[in-house]
Amino acid sequence: EPEVTQTPSHQVTQMGQEVILRCVPISNHLYFYWYRQILGQKVEFLVSFYNNEISEKSEIFDDQFSVERPDGSNFTLKIRSTKLEDSAMYFCASSVPPDGYTFGSGTRLTVV
Amino acid sequence: AQSVTQLDSQVPVFEEAPVELRCNYSSSVSVYLFWYVQYPNQGLQLLLKYLSGSTLVESINGFEAEFNKSQTSFHLRKPSVHISDTAEYFCAVSRTSGTYKYIFGTGTRLKVLA
Repeated sequence: EPEVTQTPSHQVTQMGQEVILRCVPISNHLYFYWYRQILGQKVEFLVSFYNNEISEKSEIFDDQFSVERPDGSNFTLKIRSTKLEDSAMYFCASSVPPDGYTFGSGTRLTVV
Repeated sequence: AQSVTQLDSQVPVFEEAPVELRCNYSSSVSVYLFWYVQYPNQGLQLLLKYLSGSTLVESINGFEAEFNKSQTSFHLRKPSVHISDTAEYFCAVSRTSGTYKYIFGTGTRLKVLA
């Protein structure tokens, strides 16, 4: 069964540093998403990406965040200057609506 | 805007007993409904979905959920649980158009006891 692949599985970074979280969505999927889950809390929407542009973003997705699909296969989330409160599990997902998403296994980001 | 409420944060149940995990949603427009399962240290896996048609949907591992429009509910049930069903279960809704972003509930931790 096709999978969404996320790398790295765990990243530790110093506050103020830039991080890039990488995702390889399923090849024939059209919609791409990033969600995050702070430990013990609900899964929150960050951004959706369709037709090579952001189609919707949440209030969380401020100027520190950006997404790219640089080469037609990878889908990246960049956090420019990490804060302690950015520590969370970040999930990438892709879909062909209306079918449900396929999620990656996540990247655990720890900001110290 | 949509919202999802999962009233039970934790549900302990003995092995082979039935279980119901409750999900209620709020939306002024038509929605799709989903249940996802998250095993420890893993991602979210699609368990089942309601898009249209029959209001009762089933998964391959014995779970079922029923869409009730009048009660705006999509409760998840299993007649006999196994230890391996221990996990966190998330209910989600999306609009039927636009970006199809999910709004998740806060999750229910199902703990199956021997």
